Amino acid sequence: AQTVTQSQPEMSVQEAETVTLSCTYDTSESDYYLFWYKQPPSRQMILVIRQEAYKQQNATENRFSVNFQKAAKSFSLKISDSQLGDAAMYFCAYRRTSGGGADGLTFGKGTHLIIQP
Amino acid sequence: GAGVSQSPSNKVTEKGKDVELRCDPISGHTALYWYRQSLGQGLEFLIYFQGNSAPDKSGLPSDRFSAERTGGSVSTLTIQRTQQEDSAVYLCASSLAQGGIETQYFGPGTRLLVL
Repeated sequence: AQTVTQSQPEMSVQEAETVTLSCTYDTSESDYYLFWYKQPPSRQMILVIRQEAYKQQNATENRFSVNFQKAAKSFSLKISDSQLGDAAMYFCAYRRTSGGGADGLTFGKGTHLIIQP
Repeated sequence: GAGVSQSPSNKVTEKGKDVELRCDPISGHTALYWYRQSLGQGLEFLIYFQGNSAPDKSGLPSDRFSAERTGGSVSTLTIQRTQQEDSAVYLCASSLAQGGIETQYFGPGTRLLVL
């Protein structure tokens, strides 16, 4: 079974600075998808960024980018120019390509990101 | 609607009672997912629907849990004879189709407290 590990329960960063959230995963699959979701206090999970494992190029969405290291099974999220609105729980998630969606997403335990004004 | 909606937002019940949690997915989304978020277990995948069919129910925590979806739209998660360990936030998500990279859009969840 696949597992996702987020080793940082909490991170704090000054507004406008850059922060990197770590995620590692374990799988025997060769093809899969990886996601970062954000959960603010409203509880609604919001997709931040996603990456297909077969793509070597790291995904980027505005101030958010990932460092995907397939051999190391590492998928970190970098947030540049941190803003107060970035404060939330961040979850790393995995999904295999086989199974047709029947197994849903496997999530890490989350990292609580605090933005210091 | 604009997004996934869930009701009720919060539910307090007594141990042993049955509860029904409702999820209304984004219009046109054929795939629907239920997850449970608790302090001890984190986020767990419970069940998935493609249309009205749930191909695999093994993720449901016990036989007290059941789920159905009718008309390819609204889904209901029912917990019978609730226990204190059922206290959690129950999240629903929908996506346009099944398949790995499809974005799952989440609702705000139902916070269940079993006294």
